[in-house]
Amino acid sequence: EDQVTQSPEALRLQEGESSSLNCSYTVSGLRGLFWYRQDPGKGPEFLFTLYSAGEEKEKERLKATLTKKESFLHITAPKPEDSATYLCAVQAPWGFGNEKLTFGTGTRLTIIP
Amino acid sequence: DAGVTQSPTHLIKTRGQHVTLRCSPISGHKSVSWYQQVLGQGPQFIFQYYEKEERGRGNFPDRFSARQFPNYSSELNVNALLLGDSALYLCASSADRMNTEAFFGQGTRLTVV
Repeated sequence: EDQVTQSPEALRLQEGESSSLNCSYTVSGLRGLFWYRQDPGKGPEFLFTLYSAGEEKEKERLKATLTKKESFLHITAPKPEDSATYLCAVQAPWGFGNEKLTFGTGTRLTIIP
Repeated sequence: DAGVTQSPTHLIKTRGQHVTLRCSPISGHKSVSWYQQVLGQGPQFIFQYYEKEERGRGNFPDRFSARQFPNYSSELNVNALLLGDSALYLCASSADRMNTEAFFGQGTRLTVV
C-alpha cells in the first residue's frame, strides 16, 4: 500500500528564515508527486506536480524537488502569509483505480513576523 | 472562472441520519473525486468519477455512495451516520482522468452529534 510520510509535523520560522519540508514515500512505482497548501478550514490549494527524479518546480518563494524516495519543498525568505499546512500526495502509475491521490498528514508551517 | 463549488459549507446531523453533499466541478472538468479529511490528518480518498463512471473506490464502508450527473456535477451520500463520520468532505475536479492537476473545493464540514 502506498505510504507518504511528512516531516516535521510542525515548523515555526522567523520571517525571512529559509527552510525545507520533507515528504518521503513508498509506492509501487510513482506516476506523480503533488504538493498542496491548505489554510485552516479550507480546501487544499494546488502548488506543484513532479513526475521524475531530478525534476524541480518553482513558484514565488517555493521550490519543490524530487528524488526516487522523497521530495523537498524549499521555502526561501518566507513571509507570514506563507503560514499554512503543506500537504504532499503521491499517485501510482497508470491503471484502473490508480488515479487517486494518497496524502501525507502534512507539515504545519508558521512564519513569525 | 468559478472554482470547484461545494454545498452546503457546514452541516450538523444526528447519528443514524442520511446526508447528501454536492459538488460542481470547474467548467470543462470531467473528473470528480471525493476525499474525507479528519482534523489533523491528510485527505483520504473515497471515490472518483470520470465521464459518469466510477474510476475508483477507497476503503470506506458501503454506507458511502456517490454518483456523477450528465453535467459532471456529483453527489456524495452517506447513510446511517456515525460520530466518526464527522470530518471535512472535499471534492476535487480535474480536466483529465489522471488528475494531473486536481483542484479542490472549500469543503463541507459535517458534524455528527
